[in-house]
Amino acid sequence: GAVVSQHPSRVICKSGTSVKIECRSLDFQATTMFWYRQFPKKSLMLMATSNEGSKATYEQGVEKDKFLINHASLTLSTLTVTSAHPEDSSFYICSAPLDRKINEKLFFGSGTQLSVL
Amino acid sequence: AQTVTQSQPEMSVQEAETVTLSCTYDTSENNYYLFWYKQPPSRQMILVIRQEAYKQQNATENRFSVNFQKAAKSFSLKISDSQLGDTAMYFCAQGAQKLVFGQGTRLTINP
Repeated sequence: GAVVSQHPSRVICKSGTSVKIECRSLDFQATTMFWYRQFPKKSLMLMATSNEGSKATYEQGVEKDKFLINHASLTLSTLTVTSAHPEDSSFYICSAPLDRKINEKLFFGSGTQLSVL
Repeated sequence: AQTVTQSQPEMSVQEAETVTLSCTYDTSENNYYLFWYKQPPSRQMILVIRQEAYKQQNATENRFSVNFQKAAKSFSLKISDSQLGDTAMYFCAQGAQKLVFGQGTRLTINP
């Protein structure tokens, strides 16, 4: 079946550095990908929609300059947390729908735990 | 705005028992899907069951079934013959292209 690969699974960085998280659709093309953030013992909150060939759409309250999203190809979307601070520490998950028109088949990456010291 | 509410933060049952997780939602969309996802300690999101809003028949997947009440905007999950491996966080979600998740219910199955 279709798989979404997310890398890295865990990253620890110093405050002020930037961190890049990759989300790849392995055996299907994903023109759209979604990025979520999950705080400990909390729900998933949609951060942005990544669109291949165009700018990402950010949810209200999400800083565009802090969380840079690039959908470089039909199989790769990246989330870069710029100048990371401890409050950016969280679990980040991407997802990609198999079918562009109907969100029937939605595949999730395995997530990235970001810890900013 | 779309909202999804899970009113049970935690639930605990004995192995082999039946348990029902509650979920209510609000949306102005006409065409949407409802989902139940399981998140075990590995944190991988696993699809448990999916319901298409325009279908009146309740979805079932082996031991998992839903009670979909569209007018009441209610979407509960019933787990029959619960197993230890069912222990996890369960999230109700609603959407068409992007999902809105509920707060989650931590389900523990006791031996």
